[in-house]
Amino acid sequence: EADIYQTPRYLVIGTGKKITLECSQTMGHDKMYWYQQDPGMELHLIHYSYGVNSTEKGDLSSESTVSRIRTEHFPLTLESARPSHTSQYLCASSEDHLAGGYEQYFGPGTRLTVT
Amino acid sequence: GNSVTQMEGPVTLSEEAFLTINCTYTATGYPSLFWYVQYPGEGLQLLLKATKADDKGSNKGFEATYRKETTSFHLEKGSVQVSDSAVYFCALFTGTASKLTFGTGTRLQVTL
Repeated sequence: EADIYQTPRYLVIGTGKKITLECSQTMGHDKMYWYQQDPGMELHLIHYSYGVNSTEKGDLSSESTVSRIRTEHFPLTLESARPSHTSQYLCASSEDHLAGGYEQYFGPGTRLTVT
Repeated sequence: GNSVTQMEGPVTLSEEAFLTINCTYTATGYPSLFWYVQYPGEGLQLLLKATKADDKGSNKGFEATYRKETTSFHLEKGSVQVSDSAVYFCALFTGTASKLTFGTGTRLQVTL
């Protein structure tokens, strides 16, 4: 059973607000990821981290930022939310692939609506 | 670069029908292949995987065989249930890219 948590599950917020989406995992995985999922279902990798103090931008440009101060925690922040940020955000983690960790474990997602 | 192509959805089937969702891929190196499932309101869950050519992944009645000659990993189930209604994602992983590449997802709707 994968233990990866995201809060909040649902968030409705006004334009211009600062928000932080939380993601935590208890599996000790080094690698963590943030995906944005559009209404057409397609997944876009927006950030990833290979360990503490390591963060990289993903394939899709995003105005969000991330931090990785602790192994288990990988929050995503939007400094000023806009309606174009309305989406589902999924967090995932995995072991290092050199240890055979190809599988990613996903959290339940945060559905963000910016009005 | 790596890419995954899935059949367009939605796929609508009656309960107990046979399911096939096509997936083909392009990859450098020797990828591992996956099917993930996303039930309504949830994150993705690994359904099955295959790490080398001719391997067959299976789980919950679903199967997929890694076909290197046709670069395919089609998902099949002999008899679908209403509870199988979900979105299915094909994905691949290579050590070169060191991250998953997902297809666009196929929505399956099973009716009574």
